[in-house]
Amino acid sequence: DAGVTQSPTHLIKTRGQQVTLRCSPKSGHDTVSWYQQALGQGPQFIFQYYEEEERQRGNFPDRFSGHQFPNYSSELNVNALLLGDSALYLCASSLRDRGLTNLGYEQYFGPGTRLTVT
Amino acid sequence: RKEVEQDPGPFNVPEGATVAFNCTYSNSASQSFFWYRQDCRKEPKLLMSVYSSGNEDGRFTAQLNRASQYISLLIRDSKLSDSATYLCVVNPFPGNTPLVFGKGTRLSVIA
Repeated sequence: DAGVTQSPTHLIKTRGQQVTLRCSPKSGHDTVSWYQQALGQGPQFIFQYYEEEERQRGNFPDRFSGHQFPNYSSELNVNALLLGDSALYLCASSLRDRGLTNLGYEQYFGPGTRLTVT
Repeated sequence: RKEVEQDPGPFNVPEGATVAFNCTYSNSASQSFFWYRQDCRKEPKLLMSVYSSGNEDGRFTAQLNRASQYISLLIRDSKLSDSATYLCVVNPFPGNTPLVFGKGTRLSVIA
């Protein structure tokens, strides 16, 4: 059973450039959430995709956008890169609908993409 | 007040010691709680889910006190391999909604 996969593992970009990061969720999962983790901090929520639509968004500018494909995989795009965008970008996979229960929505993380902006 | 606050650490403990991490959360309506473990430069890995007053998994025990909005993680008989950062995580809303992470507490278990 394949876990969450992300590509690339590392990326170095220059200020002003654009980047696309990719994620494939765990088999059987249909929801992808993206998080940004700066050094020494906990992950911060960027947005969540379900049924190919952005469902929820954290406090990130419009430079951050995403997409979900019919096979549930997802992309995160960041335009006009800033030095402050340097971070570990994590994709988390989960199952959207667990029936009536509010519990059991564990999210499983991929290995992340480490982005360095110079 | 931050949404999720943890002991700053780092905790340096000898092998075999018992260590406890504390965490408080601000949203009293929060539904579910988790502890994740994160090794250096790796992704967070789910260690335990905490839904009722607490649960136990081998050497690890998590407790939840909703009245005090407090979660704890106890590690007994620490191993060198327990060295990592432990993240306290809260799901503030019902359903599959964004997780809110604490900054994490670093643990070093020393031989």
